[in-house]
Formats: sequence, structure tokens, C-alpha cells
Amino acid sequence: DVKVTQSSRYLVKRTGEKVFLECVQDMDHENMFWYRQDPGLGLRLIYFSYDVKMKEKGDIPEGYSVSREKKERFSLILESASTNQTSMYLCASTPVEGNYEQYFGPGTRLTVT
Amino acid sequence: RKEVEQDPGPFNVPEGATVAFNCTYSNSASQSFFWYRQDCRKEPKLLMSVYSSGNEDGRFTAQLNRASQYISLLIRDSKLSDSATYLCVVNGKGGSQGNLIFGKGTKLSVKP
Repeated sequence: DVKVTQSSRYLVKRTGEKVFLECVQDMDHENMFWYRQDPGLGLRLIYFSYDVKMKEKGDIPEGYSVSREKKERFSLILESASTNQTSMYLCASTPVEGNYEQYFGPGTRLTVT
Repeated sequence: RKEVEQDPGPFNVPEGATVAFNCTYSNSASQSFFWYRQDCRKEPKLLMSVYSSGNEDGRFTAQLNRASQYISLLIRDSKLSDSATYLCVVNGKGGSQGNLIFGKGTKLSVKP
């Protein structure tokens, strides 16, 4: 079974703090993704990565950065957290071969106060 | 036209009912189509892929109409455990490397 894990299920941070969200997958997938999910807005793609040290902006990259130093790990960084970044953050991975099915981690519910 | 558009819902149905969800997509170059299921406060999980010829998995039937850019999901004999949000998903622009576009989802509540 594919396993995608995220470092925290719940996180509370203060405005202005630097926040790291970690995602690890154990299936040697090339592609990894970070989404945020908000009521009424659905899943929105923040950043994705096709390979180690590669990254591409998604639909809403502003206020975020990412890091992919190892194939299995994809980190999302909020340089200076703001209250409008309160959200559910979901990481996903998919192999480069196949039909593009994405496997999701359990999500991190981040609250910025 | 939004990239992936779904019935707004919510759908409230009794146990045993048949319910159908519809979805349209805007990118005619899309090659991969899915229905994902998301339970409350959980991550999305693949329910089924959707193939051109249509496909069935137990009580679930998915159909694809490429000409109309339309996808459907039919659930027969609804169970309480089918209550969830159903996401219509299409692969992204140019079919590039696994980039998926998610619909906003349709919420289904199956009542006793």
C-alpha cells in the first residue's frame, strides 16, 4: 500500500511565524503536490514537484515556498504565516508512469492566530 | 467555463435510492478521469477511474462522454456508508505529468 504521511495533523501558529509542513511518501513516486482545501473553494494546488530539487508553481503559490531535497520528502514553507493561510493542507504523490492517480496524506489542519 | 464543474448538491437520499452525479470539464485534451471520495475531515481517496467505454464497480457506475466533455457517477442501492463528498477529477492542461484538476465536490447524505 502506498503511504503518504504528513508531519502534523493539527498545528496552531502565530501570525508572522515561519511554518514548515513536511510530507513523506514511501512508494518512490516522482511527482509530489501540495494543496490547500477550504470550504466552498475545493482543492487548490499550491506547488508541485516532478523530481528532486525541481518545483513548479501551482494556482496559488503566493506566500508559500517548497523544498524537495530528497525524492521521498516534499516540504511546504510558510515564510511568514498569516491568518488567511488558516486551512487544511494536503500532500499527494503519484508515479510518473500510469494514469496519474494521486495518493493523499491525511492532511494538516493549520490555524494561524 | 470552470475547469471542472460539478452538481452543487447536497444530495439527501434515503437508503436504497439510486443517485447520479454529473460533472463537466473544459480541457478537451484531458486523458485521465476519476471520481474521488472524501469523508468528513479525511483526505480524498480514489473511488474509481473513468474509462471511455464506461466502467462498473459493484454498485458504482462511471460514464465518460468525450464529445460533450461530461462525466457521471451512478450509485445504486445507496448505503449509509456512502455518505461523503464525491470529487470529479480530470488531469490538467496538456495532460502534464499527473497534474490533476479537482471539482469542488458534491456532498451526499444517505438517510435511514
